[in-house]
Amino acid sequence: DAKTTQPNSMESNEEEPVHLPCNHSTISGTDYIHWYRQLPSQGPEYVIHGLTSNVNNRMASLAIAEDRKSSTLILHRATLRDAAVYYCILRGTTSGTYKYIFGTGTRLKVLA
Amino acid sequence: GAVVSQHPSWVICKSGTSVKIECRSLDFQATTMFWYRQFPKQSLMLMATSNEGSKATYEQGVEKDKFLINHASLTLSTLTVTSAHPEDSSFYICSARAGAGASNEQFFGPGTRLTVL
Repeated sequence: DAKTTQPNSMESNEEEPVHLPCNHSTISGTDYIHWYRQLPSQGPEYVIHGLTSNVNNRMASLAIAEDRKSSTLILHRATLRDAAVYYCILRGTTSGTYKYIFGTGTRLKVLA
Repeated sequence: GAVVSQHPSWVICKSGTSVKIECRSLDFQATTMFWYRQFPKQSLMLMATSNEGSKATYEQGVEKDKFLINHASLTLSTLTVTSAHPEDSSFYICSARAGAGASNEQFFGPGTRLTVL
């Protein structure tokens, strides 16, 4: 399974944008990039996913590099409720089961 | 989004007993369900993948005789921790996939905290 690398932690001020980076230099052509976040003592929550083009939804935006070796999750205005661990996961067809392998994720701290 | 539930949300048991955890997809049919384990301050570790009506596929290092998985219907999967010991205490999380494509996201349950005394 292709691997992702994320910073262990990041901080942001409330109401400011946050850019969470993810490196995935071994991504294959059929791998989708998925982002999830996990609040304390809860299961992960889907945030966004994409393949090649940038994606927007009500929660966030996903910017994917042209060579697809990196991506950035963008929270446009961080709130205290956005404090969580954010996971960048690649999902493709190599194994046939589309299983998620979680990395260490980025722990986002939002300062009031 | 689709909803996945788990029951119980927490359980405390004595060493040597067995514990069953249920995972249900409430508003969609899940052909594939996944079980994860998470220790404090660590990431999720995939334990096994289960497809409805067939045997589960376990990840390397996970004992299939200790962690019994049954996926009897398209909306229910169960994980039974047999002869539980204190080292099995952990946060167990299931997820279900709606659809078969690589682009389809998984939906996660809220987790079950198991404490073995």
